[in-house]
Amino acid sequence: EPEVTQTPSHQVTQMGQEVILRCVPISNHLYFYWYRQILGQKVEFLVSFYNNEISEKSEIFDDQFSVERPDGSNFTLKIRSTKLEDSAMYFCASSEGRVDYEQYFGPGTRLTVT
Amino acid sequence: KNEVEQSPQNLTAQEGEFITINCSYSVGISALHWLQQHPGGGIVSLFMLSSGKKKHGRLIATINIQEKHSSLHITASHPRDSAVYICAVGEYGNKLVFGAGTILRVKS
Repeated sequence: EPEVTQTPSHQVTQMGQEVILRCVPISNHLYFYWYRQILGQKVEFLVSFYNNEISEKSEIFDDQFSVERPDGSNFTLKIRSTKLEDSAMYFCASSEGRVDYEQYFGPGTRLTVT
Repeated sequence: KNEVEQSPQNLTAQEGEFITINCSYSVGISALHWLQQHPGGGIVSLFMLSSGKKKHGRLIATINIQEKHSSLHITASHPRDSAVYICAVGEYGNKLVFGAGTILRVKS
């Protein structure tokens, strides 16, 4: 069964550094998402991406964040100048359509900022 | 802005019991998702529904659009059902709003 994959599974970085989280969505899916979950809190929407552009983003997704689909398979989330409060689990998801389609989640990347 | 409330927050059941988890939301939606999060953190989609009822194995999900309410039922619960169950709603766009989750523990 096709699945969403994410790398790395765990990333430790120092405050102020840039990190890139990588995702490979399911190949025939058209919509891609990033979510984050701070330990002990709800999952939060960050951004959705369709047709090579951002289709919606949350208040959290400010200039510190960017997304890119550099080739036909990868979908990346870049976090510039990381802060302690960026420590969280980051989930990538993909779907065939918008929110009324089932979303398939990757296993997550645990980001720890020290 | 949609508010998604789940109840109960925590639920402990004996193996074999029938379990119900509830979700209510405040604003009209295009779809509601039930997700399962395992202790390791991974999230699995259980159901996506916009009306009526869906069944998959021992899991049943229902939604009442007029009352802005959904329920997830687990019949003949088993310890392997122990997980966090999350309700999330889609608001006619590209964004899901998540509930806080219900922590379910099924004891043998």
